[in-house]
Amino acid sequence: EAGVTQFPSHSVIEKGQTVTLRCDPISGHDNLYWYRRVMGKEIKFLLHFVKESKQDESGMPNNRFLAERTGGTYSTLKVQPAELEDSGVYFCASSQAHSRYTEAFFGQGTRLTVV
Amino acid sequence: GDSVTQMEGPVTLSEEAFLTINCTYTATGYPSLFWYVQYPGEGLQLLLKATKADDKGSNKGFEATYRKETTSFHLEKGSVQVSDSAVYFCALSDLETSGSRLTFGEGTQLTVNP
Repeated sequence: EAGVTQFPSHSVIEKGQTVTLRCDPISGHDNLYWYRRVMGKEIKFLLHFVKESKQDESGMPNNRFLAERTGGTYSTLKVQPAELEDSGVYFCASSQAHSRYTEAFFGQGTRLTVV
Repeated sequence: GDSVTQMEGPVTLSEEAFLTINCTYTATGYPSLFWYVQYPGEGLQLLLKATKADDKGSNKGFEATYRKETTSFHLEKGSVQVSDSAVYFCALSDLETSGSRLTFGEGTQLTVNP
């Protein structure tokens, strides 16, 4: 069974440009999460989809970030325009159920560098 | 809100040494507790978990016990190997107050030398 897949693995863009990150969750997982780790600090929650609906987007830093999950399958996270402080590693995770016993499976992350 | 505090790193040990990485948490509800590990060049993997007080999670020789009275979930291993070199993250999920999302600590970089 394929795990959570993220594209690209690395991205280097200039300040002001647009970048789109993609996440393919494990097939059948309704829950999809985006997280970010900036400057070696803690991994912070960005948002949570249940199927195609945004369940919780309280962690989105500002309106330059737009997440979508078309048809409840893969998800994209667009940053437009990118700023220097957006640099970091963006992780996607998926899970099947919504309980205290549920394990979230993570992708390898996308390392974004804004110069 | 919920928070997780991990001991400051990085940690460097010799092979076969004893490892402890401290983790304490603050939560409004009754959280589940996790340790995730990120090996070089890989994504996060669940190492172990505990869902109620006094539960002990264990995997690959690592152990952690859910201590509600001290709000702690310290990670231990009796004899580390070079292959244990990785970044370790303590995390919680507090279903009643913040849903299924995870709250992470800052991570602890472990390097094991031969």
